[in-house]
This record gives sequence, structure tokens and C-alpha cells, in this order.
Amino acid sequence: SSELTQDPAVSVALGQTVRITCQGDSLRSYYASWYQQKPGQAPKLVIYGKNNRPSGIPDRFSGSSSGNTGSLTITGAQAEDEADYFCNSRDSGGYVFGTGTKVTVL
Amino acid sequence: QVQLVQSGAEVKKPGASVKVSCRASGYTFTTYGITWVRQAPGQGLEWMGWINSYNGNTKYTQKFQGRVTMTTDTSTSTVYMELRSLRSDDTAVYYCARSVEDYMDVWGKGTTVTVSS
Repeated sequence: SSELTQDPAVSVALGQTVRITCQGDSLRSYYASWYQQKPGQAPKLVIYGKNNRPSGIPDRFSGSSSGNTGSLTITGAQAEDEADYFCNSRDSGGYVFGTGTKVTVL
Repeated sequence: QVQLVQSGAEVKKPGASVKVSCRASGYTFTTYGITWVRQAPGQGLEWMGWINSYNGNTKYTQKFQGRVTMTTDTSTSTVYMELRSLRSDDTAVYYCARSVEDYMDVWGKGTTVTVSS
């Protein structure tokens, strides 16, 4: 199966913007979905499709895609956005998750 | 409200099997598939497979083929995931999630499976 590569960790100042990227061949054909996971909790869907947010997800979360890279952007990061973020996409064997990015809000 | 309730924690010996349940409520069970995802301690998420809740069709990732079986019981709105020939590296939290097209919109709280002699 294909792989989805993410930066292991990024930091962002409170109120600033951070972009989390996800790279993989499957993203040339399929959109990534994005999941937020806080310690001890189940993952939560934050972005799906081209750029769709489930009900209850703040509009500071947005998604985009270009070539083999999908991106999740948090515009005006809040303290509660500190978490691990995982991308997910269809691939030849089913679906695959990205390696995950830990976001620290300073 | 829509929710997935998973069975409780399990401790198993190497070579044994475990069967985790995921009971759905708050929506029409047969309209959505269920995906199983696991997370080893301190590690990332791993997609294991998917089951069509209505007809039981399955798709397993190659890594687990031959060792995992997912089944559905429409009478109780419950999906099961059985993993056999357990090894220590199967120690993980196992999640079920409701699948909608190419994403998972509702997740269970997870079931901890510990494999230890």
C-alpha cells in the first residue's frame, strides 16, 4: 500500500496560522480527510472531501489539495487546537493514515 | 444521538483470539459501513479494514488478511472484529468508526487489547 508522510511536529503561536501537510501518491487521485486526536481520546474528524467541515468544527480549520499534497490549515490557532493530527486517504489496499503531526500551540 | 459503543478492555495471551464489538445507535445501521482502526501505545493510527453493515462485505488491509474477521449483526446493530493468533505487537487500542464515503465521521471510544504472557 502507499504511504502518507507528515511532518512529525510543528508549533504555532497563539492566534497565528499553521499549515500541516500530507504527501503521498494517492493524493493525486483522492482527497485526504483529517482527524484531530487529543491525549486519551478517540480521533475526531475535522476536514473531509475538498474542504468540508463536520458540524461543530470551527471555521478556522480548512483543507486544500495540490498535486500529491493535502494540507490542513488552522487560521488563528487556539490553545485547544493542540493535538495530534492525522490525514487519511484511499489507496490500492483500502485506506491509509498519515504518520501524524503533533501541533503545539505556544 | 449517533454513537458507537465498544466492548470493554481485554487481556489475552499470545496465540489467543480476541473479539471486539461495536454497537451502533442513533442512526440507520445498515446505511453506513464500519471501519476498524488500531493504535499501538505511543504510535499512529493504522487502518485495519471495513465492513458493509448491511450485507457483510469486507475489505481488509493486506497486513491482517487471514488473521482478522469482521462481521455484522443487523438484528442488534452490532459489528464485530475478531483478531486471531495474537502477538505482543497487537497490543493496542482498537477503534470502530462509522464510514461515509471516504471518511469516518463518528468514532467509538476505543477498546484496549493487551497481549501478554
